[in-house]
Amino acid sequence: NAGVTQTPKFQVLKTGQSMTLQCAQDMNHNSMYWYRQDPGMGLRLIYYSASEGTTDKGEVPNGYNVSRLNKREFSLRLESAAPSQTSVYFCASSEAPASGGRIETQYFGPGTRLLVL
Amino acid sequence: GDSVTQMEGPVTLSEEAFLTINCTYTATGYPSLFWYVQYPGEGLQLLLKATKADDKGSNKGFEATYRKETTSFHLEKGSVQVSDSAVYFCALSDRAGGFKTIFGAGTRLFVKA
Repeated sequence: NAGVTQTPKFQVLKTGQSMTLQCAQDMNHNSMYWYRQDPGMGLRLIYYSASEGTTDKGEVPNGYNVSRLNKREFSLRLESAAPSQTSVYFCASSEAPASGGRIETQYFGPGTRLLVL
Repeated sequence: GDSVTQMEGPVTLSEEAFLTINCTYTATGYPSLFWYVQYPGEGLQLLLKATKADDKGSNKGFEATYRKETTSFHLEKGSVQVSDSAVYFCALSDRAGGFKTIFGAGTRLFVKA
């Protein structure tokens, strides 16, 4: 049981290049999330997927796209990387809240450290 | 909107010292409250949680009590170890927020031997 896995662990891009960050979970969770972590700002939600086939914007979606490929996998794409996207990116998953409910616990991957020059 | 405020770090303590990391929140509903911990080079992992007023979450010697009257969820440990050095995040999840968890900025803890 690997939990949440992310690839790559580290990536350097030049401004304008594109890349896709991969995330997979083996806990049969319905909900998946992408966050970015910047110094002094905690975690900010980029996009989330409440269930297979659905995606929604979070707090900071500009410059990113996502794909919920199947129940296990949720990818994050940078179409044209900018230095402002230098950050550490975390994928997470959770059980879906019951109708009208709230998330109880999220499970995080180890992160992808991205540097955009 | 919902928010979480936690004390700024870094916090530096000697081994066996008492730890308190303050956390207060604002929420429109009745949230669940969490402490997550991030060890160097790793992702966040749940440390403890509480889902209703006066609940006490505890794990690995850490404790936090859900105080609705003061909208607080302070993290405490009686005797810290070097291995507790990490970044600690307070967070909330609210029914009104749906699928969103709100995280504080994080507090870095250094424990010296």
